[in-house]
Formats: sequence, structure tokens, C-alpha cells
Amino acid sequence: EPEVTQTPSHQVTQMGQEVILRCVPISNHLYFYWYRQILGQKVEFLVSFYNNEISEKSEIFDDQFSVERPDGSNFTLKIRSTKLEDSAMYFCASSKRGQGPEQYFGPGTRLTVT
Amino acid sequence: AQKVTQAQTEISVVEKEDVTLDCVYETRDTTYYLFWYKQPPSGELVFLIRRNSFDEQNEISGRYSWNFQKSTSSFNFTITASQVVDSAVYFCALSEALGAQKLVFGQGTRLTINP
Repeated sequence: EPEVTQTPSHQVTQMGQEVILRCVPISNHLYFYWYRQILGQKVEFLVSFYNNEISEKSEIFDDQFSVERPDGSNFTLKIRSTKLEDSAMYFCASSKRGQGPEQYFGPGTRLTVT
Repeated sequence: AQKVTQAQTEISVVEKEDVTLDCVYETRDTTYYLFWYKQPPSGELVFLIRRNSFDEQNEISGRYSWNFQKSTSSFNFTITASQVVDSAVYFCALSEALGAQKLVFGQGTRLTINP
């Protein structure tokens, strides 16, 4: 069964450094999302992406964040200058939308900013 | 604005008991979707079910059942004859039917099934 994959599973970085989190959505899905979950808290929407552009973003998704689909399979989230409060689990998700709006999530990348 | 409330932060039951997880939502949209996701200790988010706002028919899948009541804006999840493997955090979520369809999650309910 197709699944969303994410790399790396765990990333440790120093404050102020740039990180890129990578995702490979399910191949016939067209809608892509990033969410984050701070430890022990609820899952929060960051950004949605369709047709090579952002369709919606949250207040969390400020100028330090960017997303890109560099090729036909990868979907990346870049944090330009990490802060301590960016430490969280980051989930990528994808959906077919019209044929089923449910979003399927990757296993997540745990980002630790020190 | 959309909002999902899961008032039960933690529930602990003994194996084989039935347990119901509550979910109440708020939205101004006339069409929307409701979801339940399971987050086991390993951390991934597993899709369980989706209901459309225009379909209030309850659903049963094995030991799992879902009760959607538009009149009370609730979408409750019941596990019958619970098993230890059901131990997880369960999230209820809501999305608009149009637009980006971002998921708005509740706080989650941590369910512990004790042997």
C-alpha cells in the first residue's frame, strides 16, 4: 500500500541554522500539507500546497518557513533560521482530495533545536 | 473559525471494556468533513474514518463505531471490547469541504487500555 515517507526521522540542529525536511507524498496525490506537533500537544496546520503554489498557510508559517516541490516526487519544508520553539514533530500529509479528502500522514520528522 | 474540542484528556479502562471518546466541533461551513486519527506510541498519525457533513449515518467497522450528530455538533467514537493495542492518542479533526481543506485537530484523548 502506498505511503507517505519522510526524511530524516530525527534532526538535531543548533539555533540559527537552516534545516530542510523532506517528504515524498503518495504518487497520485495532488494536495500536500505540513503540520507540526509540539511534544504532548495537538497537531497544528502549517501550510497547504497545490499546483506548485501555497494554497493556504497559518500564522505559524512566517517568513522563516518555505515549501517547495523541487521535482515530481519530493515536497520539502525549509526553516531558514531555526529557533528553540521550532522544536517539534513535523508531519507531511497528502490527499487526493476530490476522490477522498482524507489526508495520509508520513511518520514525521522530530526536529530538536538546541 | 473552526474549532474541535475533545474534553477528555485521558481515559483509562480495563481490557474488554467499552469506551467512548467524545468530539464536539464548531464551524460556520454548511459542508465539511470530520475525521478520526489514531496516534500510537510510535508517533505516526493513522487515518481511521471520514464522515461528510451531509451524511449522518453512523458507521461500524469491527470493534469501532462512530456516531455523528449534526444537531449536537458531535462526532463520537466508541471502541467495544477494548484491547491493549487500542492504547493510543486519538484525535478528532475537522476540515472545510472547499478551499485548502486544512485539518483542524482537537487536543486529543490519550486512551490507555490496561490488561
